[in-house]
Amino acid sequence: GAGVSQSPSNKVTEKGKDVELRCDPISGHTALYWYRQSLGQGLEFLIYFQGNSAPDKSGLPSDRFSAERTGGSVSTLTIQRTQQEDSAVYLCASSFRGIGGQPQHFGDGTRLSIL
Amino acid sequence: AQSVTQLGSHVSVSEGALVLLRCNYSSSVPPYLFWYVQYPNQGLQLLLKYTSAATLVKGINGFEAEFKKSETSFHLTKPSAHMSDAAEYFCAVSGRDSSYKLIFGSGTRLLVRP
Repeated sequence: GAGVSQSPSNKVTEKGKDVELRCDPISGHTALYWYRQSLGQGLEFLIYFQGNSAPDKSGLPSDRFSAERTGGSVSTLTIQRTQQEDSAVYLCASSFRGIGGQPQHFGDGTRLSIL
Repeated sequence: AQSVTQLGSHVSVSEGALVLLRCNYSSSVPPYLFWYVQYPNQGLQLLLKYTSAATLVKGINGFEAEFKKSETSFHLTKPSAHMSDAAEYFCAVSGRDSSYKLIFGSGTRLLVRP
């Protein structure tokens, strides 16, 4: 597709369950980013990939959060043992290269609700 | 470390009136600056960006922003508001060192009255 694709668009799960969120970046974009958008915290950076490597994981809130990227393309964000404070919209973005001034293109996000 | 402040969580204008959304940044070195728009249940769409070329930057949908180093500002304007401009607007900064990471302001919701 032409844009960043995220799935699922909505996810409702029970506290304590694991969830996987998927991001398919724009073809040819080597840089991929995950952000979290919540009412209390606004938009927060989570992790940055350059190719399959993650040189910056500084925004991951706890060790329950992990992410991987394979084939320099699709990325999966995994949240283990979900808590209610994990409820948020998780946004993925990609850019041609992870260098200065290049715009990041965002997907429509996954809205995660923890019951 | 970079930071961004957006003054006014909500701005209300009449259709046809000037739109002015304020953004101030904090950085020791002029950073890269961006404005994004978010419509309900959608991701962020880039409106415009400043990367140290012209200080007056023109974007999509008739928006523009002016980089003012002396005021550390990057305010977003549009001469005449349309109903379709109602959305949330985010100013973002990335530094020239860790340039991949976007730091966002808290957002301004624009309401357009008929």
